[in-house]
Amino acid sequence: EPEVTQTPSHQVTQMGQEVILRCVPISNHLYFYWYRQILGQKVEFLVSFYNNEISEKSEIFDDQFSVERPDGSNFTLKIRSTKLEDSAMYFCASSRTSNSEKLFFGSGTQLSVL
Amino acid sequence: AQSVSQHNHHVILSEAASLELGCNYSYGGTVNLFWYVQYPGQHLQLLLKYFSGDPLVKGIKGFEAEFIKSKFSFNLRKPSVQWSDTAEYFCAVNAKNTGGFKTIFGAGTRLFVKA
Repeated sequence: EPEVTQTPSHQVTQMGQEVILRCVPISNHLYFYWYRQILGQKVEFLVSFYNNEISEKSEIFDDQFSVERPDGSNFTLKIRSTKLEDSAMYFCASSRTSNSEKLFFGSGTQLSVL
Repeated sequence: AQSVSQHNHHVILSEAASLELGCNYSYGGTVNLFWYVQYPGQHLQLLLKYFSGDPLVKGIKGFEAEFIKSKFSFNLRKPSVQWSDTAEYFCAVNAKNTGGFKTIFGAGTRLFVKA
């Protein structure tokens, strides 16, 4: 089965630093998502992306966050100035359509902000 | 906007016991429903999904779920659990929001199966 790949698997950063989390969605998918899971808590929706623009975002996704699809294959999540509470597992997902297909999840990037 | 609630946060069962995990959602329109599983140290995987048709859906590894529209429920069941079913289970609802379709997850249920 095709896979969504995420790099790095672990990222440690200092508070206030910028981080970029990278994802390669499945090649024929058109919809892309970022979710996060703080340790012991539920999976939270951050943002969905289609046709090179954000289609939906949650209240978590504030001005510190941005997403980009720079080259037609990668899908990145940037956090400009990380806070301690940004420490979480970040999952990228993609789907072929926005409503009738399952989400294919990557294995996640564990972000630790010190 | 839709929301999802899972009633049990932690469930402990012995092997061969039957399993039922509750999931209720709130949304007035058409929804697509999913159960995902996350084994320790692994990423989320789809167990089963409901879009339309037969409300009793069968998934992988012997799991099934029943969509009861009148109760806004989509409970997950398995007649006889195994130790390898130890994992966290997430119910998810996909529905149309202002910007398009969005999938929202429940808080998850941690299942521990004693050998």
